[in-house]
Amino acid sequence: AQSVSQHNHHVILSEAASLELGCNYSYGGTVNLFWYVQYPGQHLQLLLKYFSGDPLVKGIKGFEAEFIKSKFSFNLRKPSVQWSDTAEYFCAVNGDSSASKIIFGSGTRLSIRP
Amino acid sequence: EPEVTQTPSHQVTQMGQEVILRCVPISNHLYFYWYRQILGQKVEFLVSFYNNEISEKSEIFDDQFSVERPDGSNFTLKIRSTKLEDSAMYFCASRMDQTRTEQYFGPGTRLTVT
Repeated sequence: AQSVSQHNHHVILSEAASLELGCNYSYGGTVNLFWYVQYPGQHLQLLLKYFSGDPLVKGIKGFEAEFIKSKFSFNLRKPSVQWSDTAEYFCAVNGDSSASKIIFGSGTRLSIRP
Repeated sequence: EPEVTQTPSHQVTQMGQEVILRCVPISNHLYFYWYRQILGQKVEFLVSFYNNEISEKSEIFDDQFSVERPDGSNFTLKIRSTKLEDSAMYFCASRMDQTRTEQYFGPGTRLTVT
């Protein structure tokens, strides 16, 4: 069965610090990987996605993620965070079946100190 | 840019009552989904819908739940007899077609069962 693990439940950083949020998945077939962000009081927004090709994907707002197949990982990074990055971040995966559901990780709450 | 919309934004109901949550997916999308997020927990898949029938459902989606696409634009989730544990944020999502796995999420309906 598909599953997604996010190692950090709550991360607290100061502005301008670098960020890396861990994500590991388990799935036997071809996967599509996503990072979603949920700002306080708002809905899920797609930050970036990986389907195939270059394993380093760039998303919105300066975020990037690297797919490492051998480690079943898809970690999210940002070189310098801002206070406005305070949000909940969800790693997610789905397979390539025709109506494939998305499986979400438990989320990482990111708090940025101004 | 087209968006998934959901109404109402907040629904309060008494235990045992029926509720209908409404969604308008993006107009040319073919796959529709419902997810829910209990406060403080991860987003969980409920059901996927394609070609006017359920294509997959989770264990959560028991006989108390049903989905319908009553016309060409709406996609509804009905809970027949609500329980306290149904209190959650319910997200609708849509996806264009089989070749594109990205799902677009609506803003959610917060359901509070008292």
